[in-house]
Amino acid sequence: DTAVSQTPKYLVTQMGNDKSIKCEQNLGHDTMYWYKQDSKKFLKIMFSYNNKELIINETVPNRFSPKSPDKAHLNLHINSLELGDSAVYFCASSRVGQGGAEAFFGQGTRLTVV
Amino acid sequence: DAKTTQPPSMDCAEGRAANLPCNHSTISGNEYVYWYRQIHSQGPQYIIHGLKNNETNEMASLIITEDRKSSTLILPHATLRDTAVYYCIVRTWGGKLIFGQGTELSVKP
Repeated sequence: DTAVSQTPKYLVTQMGNDKSIKCEQNLGHDTMYWYKQDSKKFLKIMFSYNNKELIINETVPNRFSPKSPDKAHLNLHINSLELGDSAVYFCASSRVGQGGAEAFFGQGTRLTVV
Repeated sequence: DAKTTQPPSMDCAEGRAANLPCNHSTISGNEYVYWYRQIHSQGPQYIIHGLKNNETNEMASLIITEDRKSSTLILPHATLRDTAVYYCIVRTWGGKLIFGQGTELSVKP
């Protein structure tokens, strides 16, 4: 059973389109995250949700809108896609509030905007 | 910004111990040191974490200096499958993991 699963794994789309990436975790964690890894391989946090509530919102264009329908899901919707949005997007989950809890990552969604 | 400093790359012979250093001189008293690795653009994988004491699990050992300003991840018997980018991270309250550049470890036959 996959702990953190993302769909789709690959996404190729044209500029200006709107797309969504879905993430689900079956670990019973209360916190979920979205990270972006660009072509230079830097991993940067974008958002964090705890119990469906947004707790971290880094400097991300408002074209990116996370949505958490329940604790086990955190989806990422991107409007008006731009070339610079091309990257690998990773979802992760953990138990927050307990300093020793590790985060589990999904396998990533490779988004290519053409 | 990441609060850790790591060498950009290291080599290790297969079967030998790989010792990956990390400096975190500004770490706070309640912050943990985490190690993750990323194999060939897969999702980052948790390895180990510690606060003050040395830690060991089935994957690795973590040695933290007494002043907590640096640490070393030890892979006791490196294999080719351990080739990856290794990230040393200081975890702030609330679970935000800030990744730095990491160390690209190449395990060679």
